[in-house]
Amino acid sequence: DTGVSQDPRHKITKRGQNVTFRCDPISEHNRLYWYRQTLGQGPEFLTYFQNEAQLEKSRLLSDRFSAERPKGSFSTLEIQRTEQGDSAMYLCASGTMGQPQHFGDGTRLSIL
Amino acid sequence: AQTVTQSQPEMSVQEAETVTLSCTYDTSESDYYLFWYKQPPSRQMILVIRQEAYKQQNATENRFSVNFQKAAKSFSLKISDSQLGDAAMYFCAYRSAISGATNKLIFGTGTLLAVQP
Repeated sequence: DTGVSQDPRHKITKRGQNVTFRCDPISEHNRLYWYRQTLGQGPEFLTYFQNEAQLEKSRLLSDRFSAERPKGSFSTLEIQRTEQGDSAMYLCASGTMGQPQHFGDGTRLSIL
Repeated sequence: AQTVTQSQPEMSVQEAETVTLSCTYDTSESDYYLFWYKQPPSRQMILVIRQEAYKQQNATENRFSVNFQKAAKSFSLKISDSQLGDAAMYFCAYRSAISGATNKLIFGTGTLLAVQP
């Protein structure tokens, strides 16, 4: 069990730039989640995949955000035209039905 | 919509002592799970303990135990014999067990636990 892997760990970018994060879930997990955590807050749900299908998106996920999970394996989260308010920790978690989610280390995004 | 409330932003405990972290939640669902997660500074979120709502018996995991009061919608975490490595942010979380639900977690705002040597 290699755990959930996220890349990069840190990303610093200028406002208006596009960024993409990657998440590699635990191999046998068919469910994958993205959360966003701002300073001093608990993680907030962004979106959920079951295999390759994106089954739920939070209203927090504006049209500047897009997520994919091709072939039901790794997932990417892209943010276009980044804004100051996008600065946060982006967490990925994976799991199977009825079992607890396992989290990655997260990607910390800083917008200059 | 479900909500999770942690009313203690920070707590402190002496090493080897016992501390209780509070959590309340609101839901109209009858079947759900509750969790406590631990997030050390700059490190991965780790599951500490979970409780199924249909179980009356409180969950325990070594030094960690919960006091689950379903009618009061309360779910507190007790850490016994506190150790320096217990210092972290602790999050209470709710997850629906309704068939077809996404199983997304709804988190509280967290309690930062400091352990004094």
